Amino acid sequence: SYELTQPPSVSVSPGQTASITCSADKLGDKYVCWYQQKPGQSPVLVIYQDNKRPSGIPERFSGSTSASTATLTISGTQAMDEADYYCQAWDSRTGVFGGGTKLTVL
Amino acid sequence: QVHLQESGPGLVKPSETLSLTCTVSGASINTYYWSWIRQPPGKGLEWIGYVFYTGITNYNPSLTSRVTISLDTSKNQFSLKLNSVTAADTAVYYCARGLGVALVLDYWGQGTLVTVSS
Repeated sequence: SYELTQPPSVSVSPGQTASITCSADKLGDKYVCWYQQKPGQSPVLVIYQDNKRPSGIPERFSGSTSASTATLTISGTQAMDEADYYCQAWDSRTGVFGGGTKLTVL
Repeated sequence: QVHLQESGPGLVKPSETLSLTCTVSGASINTYYWSWIRQPPGKGLEWIGYVFYTGITNYNPSLTSRVTISLDTSKNQFSLKLNSVTAADTAVYYCARGLGVALVLDYWGQGTLVTVSS
């Protein structure tokens, strides 16, 4: 089965840039979405189709991809960005989520 | 504004069938893909499956033998049935809308916790 691999945790200082990676075989051939989930809340879409931001998502959130890795970048990270982040892709119309990355802002 | 709301029993006995409904407002069920996703306590997200407005379904291979997702267009709802449940099926269950050919999960319900226990 297709698997998306994320680091379990990433730490960043306020105002700095955070990068969260998501890796899989031939991931660059698929569209990747990123979801932010804060404790006790539903996931929120922050990036879709690799690098598009939904309405209402701050410009500091951006996405990029290469052949096998997708990256979520948060520029000028704020305390409110502390959350779990999940990448997601479709493999033969089957949904797959990464294991999630806990972003700590300290 | 699109809104999704899950409903159903919060407690299901082992070996029985888990049944949940997602009520959609602000969008017609006769368009888009409609998905179920779950999250065991303290763990990550797992995609369960989707139903397209035409009735076509697709399920997670690890659950396909136990899961059914269907539409009720008259009520603008879709539902999830998962049979032969065990404690491993204890999770928060989310419903979500899938948009476009890229199946972007753009709107999610608030989630409902289902506990499997006798």
